[in-house]
Amino acid sequence: EPEVTQTPSHQVTQMGQEVILRCVPISNHLYFYWYRQILGQKVEFLVSFYNNEISEKSEIFDDQFSVERPDGSNFTLKIRSTKLEDSAMYFCASSLTGANSPLHFGNGTRLTVT
Amino acid sequence: DQQVKQNSPSLSVQEGRISILNCDYTNSMFDYFLWYKKYPAEGPTFLISISSIKDKNEDGRFTVFLNKSAKHLSLHIVPSQPGDSAVYFCAASANQGAQKLVFGQGTRLTINP
Repeated sequence: EPEVTQTPSHQVTQMGQEVILRCVPISNHLYFYWYRQILGQKVEFLVSFYNNEISEKSEIFDDQFSVERPDGSNFTLKIRSTKLEDSAMYFCASSLTGANSPLHFGNGTRLTVT
Repeated sequence: DQQVKQNSPSLSVQEGRISILNCDYTNSMFDYFLWYKKYPAEGPTFLISISSIKDKNEDGRFTVFLNKSAKHLSLHIVPSQPGDSAVYFCAASANQGAQKLVFGQGTRLTINP
């Protein structure tokens, strides 16, 4: 069964450094997403991406965050200058269409900011 | 943000019996609901979904029930198997274009042999 793949599985970075989290969504899916889960908290929406542009973003997704689909297969999340509170599990997801289309998640990247 | 709530942090069920997981929501704009299962060190795995035009959806051992007037949904697993032990999340969205899912906090289900 096709799946969403994320790399790396664990990323440790120093505060103030830039990180790029990578994802390969399911190949025929059209919508792409990033969610995150801070330890002990709920999974929360960051951003959705469709037709090469952001379709919606949450208040968390400020100017430090950006997303890109640099080619036909990869989808990336960049955090420009990491803060301690960015430490979390970051999940990429994709869906075939928008409405009534379940999201399929990757296994996540654990980001630790020291 | 308490728009989606799972009030039971944990549930223990005997193998072969029915597991019932519950979820409540407050936002009347939600019209698409999903259940995910999550094992440690893995991402959420999609189980089953239901649109607000239905009150029941079934897929094998999994059935989701939606009670719109009570803003309540439940997931029934029957018969429960040891491999069902995991954390279960309900999620909801106002179904407009891309899916901005709002998740509950999860219920840890343990199936006892």
